[in-house]
Amino acid sequence: TQLLEQSPQFLSIQEGENLTVYCNSSSVFSSLQWYRQEPGEGPVLLVTVVTGGEVKKLKRLTFQFGDARKDSSLHITAAQTGDTGLYLCAGVAGTASKLTFGTGTRLQVTL
Amino acid sequence: KAGVTQTPRYLIKTRGQQVTLSCSPISGHRSVSWYQQTPGQGLQFLFEYFSETQRNKGNFPGRFSGRQFSNSRSEMNVSTLELGDSALYLCASSLYGRAWGNEQFFGPGTRLTVL
Repeated sequence: TQLLEQSPQFLSIQEGENLTVYCNSSSVFSSLQWYRQEPGEGPVLLVTVVTGGEVKKLKRLTFQFGDARKDSSLHITAAQTGDTGLYLCAGVAGTASKLTFGTGTRLQVTL
Repeated sequence: KAGVTQTPRYLIKTRGQQVTLSCSPISGHRSVSWYQQTPGQGLQFLFEYFSETQRNKGNFPGRFSGRQFSNSRSEMNVSTLELGDSALYLCASSLYGRAWGNEQFFGPGTRLTVL
């Protein structure tokens, strides 16, 4: 069974602060996705990283895929209240058509 | 383009009953995947259907089943409900179903409560 552990589980910060969320596994993934889920809604895809060492930026969000394709990180610069939500990483192994989701990081950004 | 729709949004059942949840994918999408989300276990994959065939299955008991129709709409059924089946059931659709390189679009989910 492939497991994706996210840390921290919970994060409460003030607007303007920076933060990093980690997603770690002992398994290799062919790609890794990050989602954000808000209450009462399904997860929404933020980014897909495919190549080991890849870095992708989405405005204030920076995503990195580990060189060995076993881990990933999400860094948010100058967090805003709109960033509040549940952040989920999800990995794809080989050509399997199912996503293995991480344990999730609940982020709360306050004024 | 309309998003993924799931019905009903909320459902309350009692132990031992059965339930059917429905998912309408985005028009043109042929793959539908189902996930169970609980506070303790997180998001877990149930199964995936592509062109009316189950292509992938997670580690859930046989009480959980599904099907897909020719118009790509999908249903999942849970028989003999248990308290532990209380969860948010999410449906996701994608064009070809291969998660790598194909974005999955999630519906808002059906919140099932088993009493």
